[in-house]
Parts: sequence; structure tokens; C-alpha cells
Amino acid sequence: EAQVTQNPRYLITVTGKKLTVTCSQNMNHEYMSWYRQDPGLGLRQIYYSMNVEVTDKGDVPEGYKVSRKEKRNFPLILESPSPNQTSLYFCASSFLTGYTEAFFGQGTRLTVV
Amino acid sequence: KQEVTQIPAALSVPEGENLVLNCSFTDSAIYNLQWFRQDPGKGLTSLLLIQSSQREQTSGRLNASLDKSSGRSTLYIAASQPGDSATYLCAVQTQGGSEKLVFGKGTKLTVNP
Repeated sequence: EAQVTQNPRYLITVTGKKLTVTCSQNMNHEYMSWYRQDPGLGLRQIYYSMNVEVTDKGDVPEGYKVSRKEKRNFPLILESPSPNQTSLYFCASSFLTGYTEAFFGQGTRLTVV
Repeated sequence: KQEVTQIPAALSVPEGENLVLNCSFTDSAIYNLQWFRQDPGKGLTSLLLIQSSQREQTSGRLNASLDKSSGRSTLYIAASQPGDSATYLCAVQTQGGSEKLVFGKGTKLTVNP
């Protein structure tokens, strides 16, 4: 089954404690990205990757890091989480042609206290 | 900068009614437009993808249209059911640069039995 898998689904952490949210896709997609969803602001892109070892900032990259060492994985790293990073996070993937469907993970609800 | 607007923000209808959700975007340089469904606290489920060269797509009781020149799309839901209650998101994939999806803030649909 074609899918994007995120882990964990729920996470409560304390300010400053480094964490990683994993994302994996099984569709051989070149393009992967991370979004955060906040009430009243909608979904905004954090980082994206067009292929292995190729990553770039989206609209709200501050406080986040990513890596793309393998085509299927695209982890999101919060080196020093702060309360304003409390949000619902989504990983997405698609082919790079731009004319195909984007698939989303089930989301990770992060709370930073 | 691409902006996506969805109207109305919320809609409540009785079961069985046909309804239309609206989406507008400011920049016609898009690859595609996607409609998603999101249940509370859950992930995004892709409903329909319309390529920039297409005018409409249909899936079951759903029909989406695209008028790229005027920057508009509609999602038509026939014979609505309580199970259709969810937030519906419209997103356009932009050409050039990050190839990102730009989302509207959604229409929250409630179908009353």
C-alpha cells in the first residue's frame, strides 16, 4: 500500500530537549516536504527536498532542520524546541514532475511545554 | 506570492442537500489543484486532483472543476451525508522554485441528519 508514515503520532516534550520526527514513504517519490498546521494560519511549508542531499527552506524554517540521506526518509529535527513550535506537523511526498498527487502522512501532534 | 482563499469558512446543511465549496487563487502558474478532506485532528486525505490543463474531475459524488484563467475551483458534493462532515482544503501546486503546495484555510462542513 502506498503510504507516508510519520512517527510519533503524538509527542509532549519540554523546552530545549532535542527531538526528531521521522517520515518515510514507499512510493519512490523524489519530492518530500514538511508542513505545520496552526489554527487560523492553515498549512505552511517548513522545509522541502527535491532529491537525496537536496533540501531547502520553505516559508517557516526557523527552529527546524531536515536531512535527506536516503530517498525514502525525510526526518524533521527540532534542535531546541520552544512552545511556539507546538503544532500539528505533516510530512508529504510526490513525484517531482509537478503533475501528480501529493500524499500526506497522518500527522504528528507536538506539544512543547 | 500565491494566495488561496476558500469561501465559506464554515457551512452547515441538512442531509441530502447538494452543495458547492469554493476556492480561488491569485497566480495561474500552477501545475495542479488538489482537494483534500481533513477530519478533526487527523491527516489529509486526497479527494481529487485536477491538472492545470484539465477542466474537471469526478469521483463518486464529488466533482471538482478548475478555471485556471479566472483562478477558481469548485468542489461539488451531491446528496450530502453526515459522513461528509469534515474540513475541506484546497491546495495549488505552484510552478517554479519550491514546487510547494499552497493551501487555503479550509471550509468546515457539517451535514446534519
